[in-house]
Amino acid sequence: AQRVTQPEKLLSVFKGAPVELKCNYSYSGSPELFWYVQYSRQRLQLLLRHISRESIKGFTADLNKGETSFHLKKPFAQEEDSAMYYCALRSNAGNMLTFGGGTRLMVKP
Amino acid sequence: DAGVTQSPTHLIKTRGQQVTLRCSPKSGHDTVSWYQQALGQGPQFIFQYYEEEERQRGNFPDRFSGHQFPNYSSELNVNALLLGDSALYLCASSSGTLFTDTQYFGPGTRLTVL
Repeated sequence: AQRVTQPEKLLSVFKGAPVELKCNYSYSGSPELFWYVQYSRQRLQLLLRHISRESIKGFTADLNKGETSFHLKKPFAQEEDSAMYYCALRSNAGNMLTFGGGTRLMVKP
Repeated sequence: DAGVTQSPTHLIKTRGQQVTLRCSPKSGHDTVSWYQQALGQGPQFIFQYYEEEERQRGNFPDRFSGHQFPNYSSELNVNALLLGDSALYLCASSSGTLFTDTQYFGPGTRLTVL
Protein backbone atom coordinates (compact mmCIF):
# COMPACT_ATOMS: atom_id res chain seq x y z
CA ALA A 1 0.00 0.00 0.00
CA GLN A 2 1.18 3.51 -0.68
CA ARG A 3 1.13 6.22 1.94
CA VAL A 4 2.17 9.87 2.20
CA THR A 5 2.88 11.52 5.51
CA GLN A 6 3.21 15.23 6.20
CA PRO A 7 4.19 15.41 9.86
CA GLU A 8 3.43 19.10 10.37
CA LYS A 9 -0.13 20.37 10.26
CA LEU A 10 1.02 23.95 10.64
CA LEU A 11 4.30 25.68 9.90
CA SER A 12 4.69 29.33 10.83
CA VAL A 13 7.71 31.37 9.73
CA PHE A 14 8.64 35.01 9.34
CA LYS A 15 9.01 36.65 5.95
CA GLY A 16 12.52 36.08 4.61
CA ALA A 17 13.13 32.96 6.68
CA PRO A 18 13.87 29.60 5.05
CA VAL A 19 11.02 27.14 4.70
CA GLU A 20 11.02 23.35 4.62
CA LEU A 21 7.79 21.41 4.40
CA LYS A 22 8.36 17.76 5.10
CA CYS A 23 6.93 14.85 3.13
CA ASN A 24 7.67 11.18 3.61
CA TYR A 25 6.22 8.36 1.59
CA SER A 26 6.01 4.61 1.55
CA TYR A 27 5.78 2.76 -1.73
CA SER A 28 7.55 -0.33 -2.92
CA GLY A 29 8.03 0.71 -6.53
CA SER A 30 9.26 3.86 -8.26
CA PRO A 31 6.78 6.60 -7.45
CA GLU A 32 6.26 9.98 -8.95
CA LEU A 33 6.00 12.73 -6.36
CA PHE A 34 4.17 16.04 -6.51
CA TRP A 35 3.54 19.11 -4.45
CA TYR A 36 0.12 20.73 -4.79
CA VAL A 37 -0.78 24.10 -3.28
CA GLN A 38 -4.09 25.65 -2.38
CA TYR A 39 -4.17 29.40 -1.81
CA SER A 40 -7.06 30.97 0.08
CA ARG A 41 -10.33 30.66 -1.87
CA GLN A 42 -8.58 29.04 -4.82
CA ARG A 43 -8.56 25.52 -6.16
CA LEU A 44 -5.89 22.94 -5.65
CA GLN A 45 -3.12 23.43 -8.21
CA LEU A 46 0.12 21.73 -9.07
CA LEU A 47 3.20 23.46 -7.71
CA LEU A 48 5.91 21.10 -8.91
CA ARG A 49 6.69 17.47 -9.71
CA HIS A 50 9.93 15.70 -9.07
CA ILE A 51 10.53 14.55 -12.64
CA SER A 52 10.60 18.16 -13.82
CA ARG A 53 13.44 19.07 -11.47
CA GLU A 54 12.47 22.70 -11.76
CA SER A 55 12.02 25.59 -9.37
CA ILE A 56 8.56 27.14 -9.20
CA LYS A 57 8.01 30.40 -7.30
CA GLY A 58 11.38 29.80 -5.67
CA PHE A 59 10.36 26.37 -4.35
CA THR A 60 12.38 23.23 -4.98
CA ALA A 61 11.96 19.63 -3.91
CA ASP A 62 14.36 16.73 -4.24
CA LEU A 63 13.28 13.12 -4.20
CA ASN A 64 15.41 11.17 -1.74
CA LYS A 65 14.69 7.51 -2.39
CA GLY A 66 16.97 6.37 0.42
CA GLU A 67 15.03 8.35 3.01
CA THR A 68 11.74 8.08 1.06
CA SER A 69 11.28 11.81 1.36
CA PHE A 70 10.29 14.68 -0.90
CA HIS A 71 10.66 17.80 1.20
CA LEU A 72 9.66 21.18 -0.23
CA LYS A 73 12.10 24.00 0.33
CA LYS A 74 12.36 27.72 -0.24
CA PRO A 75 15.29 29.82 0.96
CA PHE A 76 13.34 33.03 1.65
CA ALA A 77 9.63 32.83 2.41
CA GLN A 78 7.24 35.50 1.16
CA GLU A 79 3.85 36.42 2.61
CA GLU A 80 2.17 35.30 -0.59
CA ASP A 81 3.47 31.78 0.05
CA SER A 82 0.92 31.39 2.83
CA ALA A 83 -1.29 28.49 1.75
CA MET A 84 -2.08 24.80 2.25
CA TYR A 85 0.51 22.50 0.76
CA TYR A 86 -0.14 18.88 -0.10
CA CYS A 87 2.40 16.27 -1.03
CA ALA A 88 1.10 13.56 -3.37
CA LEU A 89 2.35 10.30 -4.82
CA ARG A 90 1.43 8.59 -8.04
CA SER A 91 2.27 4.94 -8.44
CA ASN A 92 3.42 3.37 -11.67
CA ALA A 93 0.18 1.39 -11.77
CA GLY A 94 -2.14 4.18 -12.70
CA ASN A 95 -2.93 7.86 -12.53
CA MET A 96 -4.47 7.99 -9.06
CA LEU A 97 -2.91 10.36 -6.55
CA THR A 98 -2.34 9.54 -2.90
CA PHE A 99 -2.20 12.72 -0.83
CA GLY A 100 -0.72 13.55 2.51
CA GLY A 101 -2.76 15.34 5.13
CA GLY A 102 -1.41 18.74 4.17
CA THR A 103 0.63 21.44 5.90
CA ARG A 104 -0.63 24.95 6.40
CA LEU A 105 2.19 27.43 5.85
CA MET A 106 1.79 30.82 7.46
CA VAL A 107 4.34 33.49 6.59
CA LYS A 108 4.25 36.35 9.04
CA PRO A 109 5.34 39.89 8.10
CA ASP B 1 -11.06 27.93 -20.90
CA ALA B 2 -12.79 27.87 -17.52
CA GLY B 3 -10.84 24.83 -16.53
CA VAL B 4 -12.52 22.08 -14.56
CA THR B 5 -16.00 23.04 -13.44
CA GLN B 6 -18.18 21.39 -10.82
CA SER B 7 -21.79 21.74 -9.78
CA PRO B 8 -23.39 22.42 -7.47
CA THR B 9 -21.05 24.48 -5.30
CA HIS B 10 -22.58 23.14 -2.15
CA LEU B 11 -25.59 21.17 -1.03
CA ILE B 12 -27.22 19.79 2.08
CA LYS B 13 -28.77 16.35 2.32
CA THR B 14 -30.12 14.15 5.08
CA ARG B 15 -29.02 10.66 6.01
CA GLY B 16 -30.29 7.96 3.70
CA GLN B 17 -30.76 10.26 0.74
CA GLN B 18 -28.97 10.06 -2.58
CA VAL B 19 -26.87 12.75 -4.23
CA THR B 20 -25.42 13.41 -7.68
CA LEU B 21 -22.44 15.67 -8.27
CA ARG B 22 -21.32 16.84 -11.68
CA CYS B 23 -18.00 17.65 -13.28
CA SER B 24 -16.92 19.03 -16.64
CA PRO B 25 -13.27 18.48 -17.50
CA LYS B 26 -10.79 20.99 -18.80
CA SER B 27 -10.91 21.46 -22.56
CA GLY B 28 -8.93 18.71 -24.29
CA HIS B 29 -9.04 16.32 -21.35
CA ASP B 30 -10.80 12.97 -21.50
CA THR B 31 -10.17 11.50 -18.07
CA VAL B 32 -11.96 12.41 -14.87
CA SER B 33 -10.97 11.46 -11.34
CA TRP B 34 -12.98 12.02 -8.19
CA TYR B 35 -11.59 12.66 -4.72
CA GLN B 36 -13.17 13.07 -1.30
CA GLN B 37 -11.61 15.57 1.08
CA ALA B 38 -12.81 15.40 4.65
CA LEU B 39 -12.27 18.42 6.88
CA GLY B 40 -8.63 18.77 7.87
CA GLN B 41 -7.44 15.95 5.65
CA GLY B 42 -5.92 15.52 2.23
CA PRO B 43 -7.96 14.42 -0.77
CA GLN B 44 -8.66 10.69 -1.00
CA PHE B 45 -9.07 8.99 -4.38
CA ILE B 46 -12.53 7.57 -5.11
CA PHE B 47 -12.33 6.47 -8.75
CA GLN B 48 -11.30 7.46 -12.25
CA TYR B 49 -13.20 7.35 -15.54
CA TYR B 50 -11.76 7.05 -19.01
CA GLU B 51 -13.60 6.19 -22.22
CA GLU B 52 -16.83 6.04 -20.22
CA GLU B 53 -15.55 3.24 -18.01
CA GLU B 54 -14.25 3.10 -14.47
CA ARG B 55 -10.52 2.57 -14.86
CA GLN B 56 -9.35 2.66 -11.24
CA ARG B 57 -11.07 2.64 -7.90
CA GLY B 58 -9.95 3.57 -4.41
CA ASN B 59 -11.12 2.09 -1.13
CA PHE B 60 -14.71 3.30 -1.21
CA PRO B 61 -17.91 1.26 -0.82
CA ASP B 62 -20.28 0.48 -3.66
CA ARG B 63 -22.57 3.28 -2.46
CA PHE B 64 -20.20 5.48 -4.44
CA SER B 65 -20.73 5.11 -8.17
CA GLY B 66 -20.01 7.17 -11.19
CA HIS B 67 -20.58 7.72 -14.82
CA GLN B 68 -18.80 9.37 -17.71
CA PHE B 69 -20.63 10.73 -20.72
CA PRO B 70 -19.48 10.83 -24.36
CA ASN B 71 -18.54 14.50 -23.95
CA TYR B 72 -16.17 13.41 -21.12
CA SER B 73 -18.18 15.06 -18.35
CA SER B 74 -18.80 12.93 -15.31
CA GLU B 75 -21.16 12.36 -12.42
CA LEU B 76 -20.51 11.04 -8.95
CA ASN B 77 -23.45 9.37 -7.23
CA VAL B 78 -23.62 8.52 -3.56
CA ASN B 79 -26.49 6.43 -2.24
CA ALA B 80 -27.74 5.93 1.32
CA LEU B 81 -25.85 8.94 2.59
CA LEU B 82 -24.12 8.73 5.95
CA LEU B 83 -23.01 11.55 8.21
CA GLY B 84 -19.44 10.57 7.41
CA ASP B 85 -19.98 11.35 3.75
CA SER B 86 -19.91 15.05 4.59
CA ALA B 87 -16.86 16.38 2.75
CA LEU B 88 -15.56 18.42 -0.13
CA TYR B 89 -15.75 16.39 -3.33
CA LEU B 90 -13.10 17.26 -5.87
CA CYS B 91 -13.04 16.44 -9.52
CA ALA B 92 -9.79 16.38 -11.47
CA SER B 93 -9.27 16.02 -15.19
CA SER B 94 -6.31 14.84 -17.21
CA SER B 95 -5.43 13.36 -20.57
CA GLY B 96 -5.93 9.62 -20.71
CA THR B 97 -3.74 9.28 -23.74
CA LEU B 98 -0.89 10.66 -21.68
CA PHE B 99 -1.16 8.30 -18.76
CA THR B 100 1.15 10.35 -16.60
CA ASP B 101 -0.43 13.68 -17.41
CA THR B 102 -0.97 16.28 -14.69
CA GLN B 103 -4.35 16.30 -12.97
CA TYR B 104 -6.15 19.64 -12.87
CA PHE B 105 -8.64 20.15 -10.07
CA GLY B 106 -12.02 21.80 -9.95
CA PRO B 107 -13.23 24.03 -7.12
CA GLY B 108 -15.12 21.21 -5.45
CA THR B 109 -18.64 20.56 -4.20
CA ARG B 110 -19.20 20.86 -0.47
CA LEU B 111 -21.63 18.17 0.69
CA THR B 112 -23.16 18.35 4.14
CA VAL B 113 -25.15 15.37 5.42
CA LEU B 114 -27.45 16.06 8.37
